[in-house]
Amino acid sequence: DIQMTQSPSSLSASVGDRVTITCQASQDIGKNLNWYQQKPGKAPELLIYDASNLQTGVPSRFSGSGSDTDFTLTISSLQPEDFATYHCQQYDNLPRTFGPGTKVDFK
Amino acid sequence: QVQLQESGPGLVKPSETLSLTCTVSGGSISRYYWSWVRQPAGKGLEWIGRIYSSGTTNYNPSLRSRVTMSVDTSKNQFSLKLNSATAADTAVYYCCRVTDRAYMDVWGIGTTVTVSS
Repeated sequence: DIQMTQSPSSLSASVGDRVTITCQASQDIGKNLNWYQQKPGKAPELLIYDASNLQTGVPSRFSGSGSDTDFTLTISSLQPEDFATYHCQQYDNLPRTFGPGTKVDFK
Repeated sequence: QVQLQESGPGLVKPSETLSLTCTVSGGSISRYYWSWVRQPAGKGLEWIGRIYSSGTTNYNPSLRSRVTMSVDTSKNQFSLKLNSATAADTAVYYCCRVTDRAYMDVWGIGTTVTVSS
């Protein structure tokens, strides 16, 4: 299985901050990576697919980059509704695997 | 707008079979993959497997010996069975649609299953 790691596991930030979350794959997955946002008690929602493509309806303050083994999710200016947990997921191989998640909360 | 709804018992006894159904509304189940993902309380997401509308399946090797997925296109439903349940199977179970680009773009709200006597 491809192992996915994320850092940090949690972070505290303020509204307006620039936030960066990293995701690393245990082997080369090209750009076969998705990012999901999950709010407490809710299902995950797709944010970014193919490492850098914004899902329809997702605000442009979200962006994704990277390839091969190293990926980044950036929120350019954190908004109150962005406090959530963010998960990366690879789809290069079966089984699909997720990172452990990064929780973004209020400073 | 496609919506998914999980249904099934919220409480399962150890060693029994956990059974869930996902009903697809607002769209056809055909020509898509459909997945099950679970999340134990306070933990990360685990991919259980996927089924294509034709019935082709792929399972997570960690669960393969206990998992069966099926699809009923006439009812626009797909199902999950996990036998020999243990407390480690206690989680929120989500069903979701998988696009041809392999991302999960529509999710059910999730259903909590507790394995306990």
